[in-house]
Amino acid sequence: SQQGEEDPQALSIQEGENATMNCSYKTSINNLQWYRQNSGRGLVHLILIRSNEREKHSGRLRVTLDTSKKSSSLLITASRAADTASYFCATDANAGGTSYGKLTFGQGTILTVHP
Amino acid sequence: ETGVTQSPTHLIKTRGQQVTLRCSSQSGHNTVSWYQQALGQGPQFIFQYYREEENGRGNFPPRFSGLQFPNYSSELNVNALELDDSALYLCASSLGQARHTIYFGEGSWLTVV
Repeated sequence: SQQGEEDPQALSIQEGENATMNCSYKTSINNLQWYRQNSGRGLVHLILIRSNEREKHSGRLRVTLDTSKKSSSLLITASRAADTASYFCATDANAGGTSYGKLTFGQGTILTVHP
Repeated sequence: ETGVTQSPTHLIKTRGQQVTLRCSSQSGHNTVSWYQQALGQGPQFIFQYYREEENGRGNFPPRFSGLQFPNYSSELNVNALELDDSALYLCASSLGQARHTIYFGEGSWLTVV
């Protein structure tokens, strides 16, 4: 079963604009991760934020986490046509060690960036 | 390029048949997980192997089984295929610790007719 919802389901913007995607989840987590998937291909890890972190940056990506609301957001700044893809949040509810990596994914947001 | 290789990339099977999908993990990664992704959905966790032992299983029936070999490569086997098994099957490898990134392969597209 899916962990939660991603919002919006689809997002269409112009190059240079910012894109914000939201993710909600249901259970307590150890960390939350964001992945990118180009059409029908494998997942590419973008960024991981731990449950004790509130914000994290990586290049043009900014991720926030609000554990009290069980929600996260991914912001892509100055978007490019090459950012067109599906974006998924995934939660890892386990305590680490050998239990790490059993991810629960959301439904994804389809981002289209027009040149 | 994630260093995780899956084969075959595409295959078509008939309902009731059996299928084996293969995954070669990134060098040194002792943890491999398999996910099923139906069209338009997010991936769903099938099971995980750590050092050749099953280390957790999602909500999938026993006809989904797996193996991890001493070189940490892995197989996913599905028996008695059903039409709903049509999906992208993804393999993911990691060092099994929270600070390490999980790397996904490109997946195997299975169509059951």
